[in-house]
Amino acid sequence: NAGVTQTPKFQVLKTGQSMTLQCAQDMNHNSMYWYRQDPGMGLRLIYYSASEGTTDKGEVPNGYNVSRLNKREFSLRLESAAPSQTSVYFCASTPNSWGDTEAFFGQGTRLTVV
Amino acid sequence: GNSVTQMEGPVTLSEEAFLTINCTYTATGYPSLFWYVQYPGEGLQLLLKATKADDKGSNKGFEATYRKETTSFHLEKGSVQVSDSAVYFCALSNAGNMLTFGGGTRLMVKP
Repeated sequence: NAGVTQTPKFQVLKTGQSMTLQCAQDMNHNSMYWYRQDPGMGLRLIYYSASEGTTDKGEVPNGYNVSRLNKREFSLRLESAAPSQTSVYFCASTPNSWGDTEAFFGQGTRLTVV
Repeated sequence: GNSVTQMEGPVTLSEEAFLTINCTYTATGYPSLFWYVQYPGEGLQLLLKATKADDKGSNKGFEATYRKETTSFHLEKGSVQVSDSAVYFCALSNAGNMLTFGGGTRLMVKP
């Protein structure tokens, strides 16, 4: 059972470079999310997609863009990477928008911007 | 707005010791409360949850009780194992809004 799959697992970028983080889920979930995890700060929501065709900003959207390509896939793009974007990025999905349902997370992408 | 505060770690215990990780929250209304666990190199996974006041969530020997009067959801386990070493996150979801996480508490259990 794949669940939520993220690629790549590790990435090193130079300041100013761009890249796209990929996420796919095979659980037929409607809602998908991108979080970043920084030491001592827990997980902070970057962007989310409540359903196919919609995206909304979360707590820390600056410097990022997202695309909900279809129901399965939700990508996160860094147009011009900055050292402050060094973090671990997690994609997650839920059957529908948050409520009391379980969220399923990918294994994370560790990004370093030098 | 919503917020979650957890005790800072790391928490270091010997095997079979009693574990408590404190979690308090601020939210309007009646949020659902969660504990997620992150094992090394993995994503988060749900450990337990409680959806209304006085509910007790439990799983794998871990328990937490939703205390509305103290706005708390402390995680407990009577006898920890080395395999419980991980980072634990308290979180809440309010009225269908996004999950709000605490800062995480790293638990290290020594044999």
